[in-house]
Parts: sequence; C-alpha cells; structure tokens
Amino acid sequence: GENVEQHPSTLSVQEGDSAVIKCTYSDSASNYFPWYKQELGKRPQLIIDIRSNVGEKKDQRIAVTLNKTAKHFSLHITETQPEDSAVYFCAAHTGRRALTFGSGTRLQVQP
Amino acid sequence: ETGVTQTPRHLVMGMTNKKSLKCEQHLGHNAMYWYKQSAKKPLELMFVYSLEERVENNSVPSRFSPECPNSSHLFLHLHTLQPEDSALYLCASSQDSGHEAFFGQGTRLTVV
Repeated sequence: GENVEQHPSTLSVQEGDSAVIKCTYSDSASNYFPWYKQELGKRPQLIIDIRSNVGEKKDQRIAVTLNKTAKHFSLHITETQPEDSAVYFCAAHTGRRALTFGSGTRLQVQP
Repeated sequence: ETGVTQTPRHLVMGMTNKKSLKCEQHLGHNAMYWYKQSAKKPLELMFVYSLEERVENNSVPSRFSPECPNSSHLFLHLHTLQPEDSALYLCASSQDSGHEAFFGQGTRLTVV
C-alpha cells in the first residue's frame, strides 16, 4: 500500500518568514495530493490540493509543488502569520483507496 | 459547518462497556471513512465504505466493528476496548475516493 513520509515534524518560523513542509510517497500510481490544516481542537480542513497532471498550484500565500519523478511534493507558505500556526498533514491517494496521510508537521509562527 | 456531524463529541467508557459512535453526512457523498488520531499515529485509516460497501479494513482489531446502513450514516461499534484505544476518532466523507475528504469534529474517546 501507499506510504507517505512527512518532514519536519515541527517547524518554528518568525512571522513574515516562509515555511516549507515536504512529503514523499511510495506508490507511483498516486494521483491526488491534498494538504490539510488542523488547528488545536478542530477538525482537519483542506487548504490546497494538486493532481498529478500539474506541477504547481498557488492560492494566495500557499503553494504546492509536485515532482512525480522523484515522488515528492511540498507545501510552501509565504509571509507567515500567527494564525498559520497549526498542524499540517499531507496526503496521497491511489485508485479506490482512501487518503494515506503523513505524520503531520506542527508549525509555530512566532510573532 | 462542513456537513459531517459526529456524536457524541466526548465518550468515557470502561473496558467492559459497549458503545457506538455515529457519523452523519449531509453532502451527498458516496464514500465514508473512519480515522483514528492519536499522538503515536496522527491520522490512521481504519475503515473505508464506498457506496455502502466496505472496501478497506486496515487490520483493525475486531473490538471495532463498523456499520454503514446507508450512504449518509456510518457507525463504529465498540466493545471490550483497551486503554490504548483512547484517541480522537474522526469520520470523513468524500465524493468518490479521489476527491477532498470532509472531516467531522471527531469523538474524543477515553477508555478507563
């Protein structure tokens, strides 16, 4: 089955700096890669996703890049703000299987 | 409100009890999932239902028993749990399995 690895497990940045979270996946047939944000005590919510037919997608301060050859994808957050502090999960999907999630990255944005 | 509702929000049960977790989605999705979230394994897939048919069972102990009576409802029946089963149990739904999954707020389960 699919295996998703996520790094780093914790990340602390100063407000205004950029943050990058990286994930690798094992199944070359995976074709859908969402990123979820989970604030303390709340449910995970989708913030951006990318499909295997594109290499990059942007939404305001958030961008995701995908390298199918290397089987890795990354989340980039620019101009970080304190409200970006949360746990971020990457995920990969293959065929009929459900999403396989990475282990999460706790992002702390210091004001 | 994401349209996925879980009840109860909190549950404390003894190891000999039997209880059930309920999930309801109002999004017209045809796939539903149970995930377990704990400090050890943040988002661990337990069960997948697609069109009310169980399509995946990730080696979950038999003390967890899922039920999907229709495409809008999903249950997780619990019996003779262990303290290590204490976790946040999250239900999710999606339109087919290759699309965004919407999560419920979860049930915080404590086994004493």
